[in-house]
Amino acid sequence: NAGVTQTPKFQVLKTGQSMTLQCAQDMNHEYMSWYRQDPGMGLRLIHYSVGAGITDQGEVPNGYNVSRSTTEDFPLRLLSAAPSQTSVYFCASSRGVGGEAFFGQGTRLTVV
Amino acid sequence: SQQGEEDPQALSIQEGENATMNCSYKTSINNLQWYRQNSGRGLVHLILIRSNEREKHSGRLRVTLDTSKKSSSLLITASRAADTASYFCATADSNAGGTSYGKLTFGQGTILTVHP
Repeated sequence: NAGVTQTPKFQVLKTGQSMTLQCAQDMNHEYMSWYRQDPGMGLRLIHYSVGAGITDQGEVPNGYNVSRSTTEDFPLRLLSAAPSQTSVYFCASSRGVGGEAFFGQGTRLTVV
Repeated sequence: SQQGEEDPQALSIQEGENATMNCSYKTSINNLQWYRQNSGRGLVHLILIRSNEREKHSGRLRVTLDTSKKSSSLLITASRAADTASYFCATADSNAGGTSYGKLTFGQGTILTVHP
């Protein structure tokens, strides 16, 4: 099993550009989530999903959009990139709510 | 806002010593988890302790949970240079009935450096 796979690993965007961060898991987990990690801030929840077709906002959802059309995939869309969105983004999945989370290796995003 | 507050922010010890990290949180929880992150990598799950448990062991790791004080501690015994990493606590919130909402809320982490 590959676990949780995130692509790309690195990305540089210009302000105003849009892009999609990909996340896929092969563990048949119901629960998936996106976090951003900034220095001194720990991980903050952006959006999460408890199953295909069901998504909800986390702590810092503004400027991001998600969808969950399949159990395996949970893409994160940046609608109009801003320098404040420069961060490391992590996708995670777990079998059930509040369970052990499996993380991808992260996407380091720089917005200039 | 952050649920977990970790203490200390950074810890530097020699190989063979024990390392203790603390985590405090604010709301009712279903469980509390500890994760490890090596520099530039994703987080790796270490241990999960449920709200009705007080202590749990896994290899050289010992976790305690005091729900009355809303705090937890992670003890790493006989530390090794390879234990150098950031350690995060994460809480799974619960409602009044004890069911987890599912969202994991992370603390800011403790940076552990173990010198050979």
